[in-house]
Amino acid sequence: GIQVEQSPPDLILQEGANSTLRCNFSDSVNNLQWFHQNPWGQLINLFYIPSGTKQNGRLSATTVATERYSLLYISSSQTTDSGVYFCAVRGDSGGGADGLTFGKGTHLIIQP
Amino acid sequence: NAGVTQTPKFRVLKTGQSMTLLCAQDMNHEYMYWYRQDPGMGLRLIHYSVGEGTTAKGEVPDGYNVSRLKKQNFLLGLESAAPSQTSVYFCASSYEGDNEQFFGPGTRLTVL
Repeated sequence: GIQVEQSPPDLILQEGANSTLRCNFSDSVNNLQWFHQNPWGQLINLFYIPSGTKQNGRLSATTVATERYSLLYISSSQTTDSGVYFCAVRGDSGGGADGLTFGKGTHLIIQP
Repeated sequence: NAGVTQTPKFRVLKTGQSMTLLCAQDMNHEYMYWYRQDPGMGLRLIHYSVGEGTTAKGEVPDGYNVSRLKKQNFLLGLESAAPSQTSVYFCASSYEGDNEQFFGPGTRLTVL
């Protein structure tokens, strides 16, 4: 099946810093989503971005489908940005109805 | 709209007991999914459904059964719980297979 690798696995930053999280995947995809899992375990949808670039406030994401990677940018980090960021993809295997394959996540800690 | 809801939120079982987790969505989505999340890992697909009356196996289906008798509900059953099934269970839904998936709040299950 499709493989998803996220980097870095852990990241500690000071409040106000910027960060870039990376997601590499092993095959073509027809769905790519970024999630934030907060300290209470809730999964929050950040972006649905199988290709292209999107922005939402301090967050933006870019997926280069032809090169099989996606980037999540967080600017002016706040302590509430702490948590685990997951990238998840659905392989474009042609007619398949499988669910998402998740990476292991990037654990982000924002220190005040 | 409530989105995706899950009941119960927490449950403790003894080895060998059975239980059913209920997922409900009010977005008229065709596709529904059950995932499990183990410590330090991303989510893994257990079973999914592409419409009322259909079910299919995901990556880790052993020890679980599912049913989709109504479009808005997707049930996950454990017939004889084992400690290896201690996990957090997430339900999700999407309009179609390659559309954005929306997740419920999760059910934390402990099997003693």
